[in-house]
Amino acid sequence: EAGVVQSPRYKIIEKKQPVAFWCNPISGHNTLYWYRQNLGQGPELLIRYENEEAVDDSQLPKDRFSAERLKGVDSTLKIQPAELGDSAVYLCASRVGTGNSGANVLTFGAGSRLTVL
Amino acid sequence: DQQVKQNSPSLSVQEGRISILNCDYTNSMFDYFLWYKKYPAEGPTFLISISSIKDKNEDGRFTVFLNKSAKHLSLHIVPSQPGDSAVYFCAAISSGSARQLTFGSGTQLTVLP
Repeated sequence: EAGVVQSPRYKIIEKKQPVAFWCNPISGHNTLYWYRQNLGQGPELLIRYENEEAVDDSQLPKDRFSAERLKGVDSTLKIQPAELGDSAVYLCASRVGTGNSGANVLTFGAGSRLTVL
Repeated sequence: DQQVKQNSPSLSVQEGRISILNCDYTNSMFDYFLWYKKYPAEGPTFLISISSIKDKNEDGRFTVFLNKSAKHLSLHIVPSQPGDSAVYFCAAISSGSARQLTFGSGTQLTVLP
């Protein structure tokens, strides 16, 4: 079974530029998560999708971040414009089930490392 | 306010000995706990978990212990191997949170040959 696929793996941009990250979850995984991991810290949730619906985006900085999950499969996370503090690893994860049902374990992708200069 | 805390940023252990990684939490609503392992340039991978109705779960060389009264859990690796060198994250799920993981800051384990 293919895992969670993310691209690009690395991205270096100058501040104020836009950037987008793409995630392909495991087939059949209804719930998709975007996490951000700052250096020396654990991942923190940005947004959670159940199928194509964003059901928890309370931690997403909506002034510059946006996300979508068209057709309930692939997802993109966009930052526009990027700031120096956005440098981090952006992790996508997925699991079977939605809400409080289904698997407890999330499967993570390898992440997209963003460096903003 | 960190709800899941891993107070040891790093730990070094000799190959063949026991590694003990610790994790404390503050949220009484947490009812499921997981350990993830992360190698450089890779995403976190699931290692072992435990429900709050248990106090121990074992999987091969890995055992997780949960002390609910102390709000403390630990991961024991016996015997430790050089391939276990990685960052270990403790994570917790609270009931009704739709499996939202709250992570600790991680502990870098180095197993010396």
